[in-house]
Amino acid sequence: AQTVTQSQPEMSVQEAETVTLSCTYDTSESDYYLFWYKQPPSRQMILVIRQEAYKQQNATENRFSVNFQKAAKSFSLKISDSQLGDAAMYFCADKGGSQGNLIFGKGTKLSVKP
Amino acid sequence: DTGVSQDPRHKITKRGQNVTFRCDPISEHNRLYWYRQTLGQGPEFLTYFQNEAQLEKSRLLSDRFSAERPKGSFSTLEIQRTEQGDSAMYLCASSLRSNTEAFFGQGTRLTVV
Repeated sequence: AQTVTQSQPEMSVQEAETVTLSCTYDTSESDYYLFWYKQPPSRQMILVIRQEAYKQQNATENRFSVNFQKAAKSFSLKISDSQLGDAAMYFCADKGGSQGNLIFGKGTKLSVKP
Repeated sequence: DTGVSQDPRHKITKRGQNVTFRCDPISEHNRLYWYRQTLGQGPEFLTYFQNEAQLEKSRLLSDRFSAERPKGSFSTLEIQRTEQGDSAMYLCASSLRSNTEAFFGQGTRLTVV
């Protein structure tokens, strides 16, 4: 069965600093996609960044970037120049090419200190 | 288009009652997903549709749960004979294709008392 593991239930970062959230996954699919979603308190989940497994280049979206290590099945999220608005639950998710659904980790609660 | 919308946002029901939730996906999206999220956990997959066809159901979806997507537009999720363990946030998401991002609604929070 596919699993996604986020080993950090909570993380804290100082405003303007950099933080890295960890994620490992286990899939038997050869074609798959990885995602980081952000869920602010009482607000809907939004996509932060996505990575296609066949692409070697790490995805980047403004202050958000990933470190995709395919052999190690690791997919960490780096947030640079952290802002107060980055405070939220962050979920790592995996989707196999032959599957319809996302498999989510348990999430990491990120706090940003002013 | 304002995105994925879910109705109601909150529902409190007595144990044993039936409840129905509605999800309106982004209009051109042919895939629609239902997830359940309990406090402190990530969303767990329940079922998904491609157009009007229900293609996959999780084992979490007991016989008391049923989902429909008539005409491939909006979807409903019904829970019969609700139990306290059904208390959770029910999330709906839609995507254009299988390999594109899923957009989530704000969810329906169900409390069974």
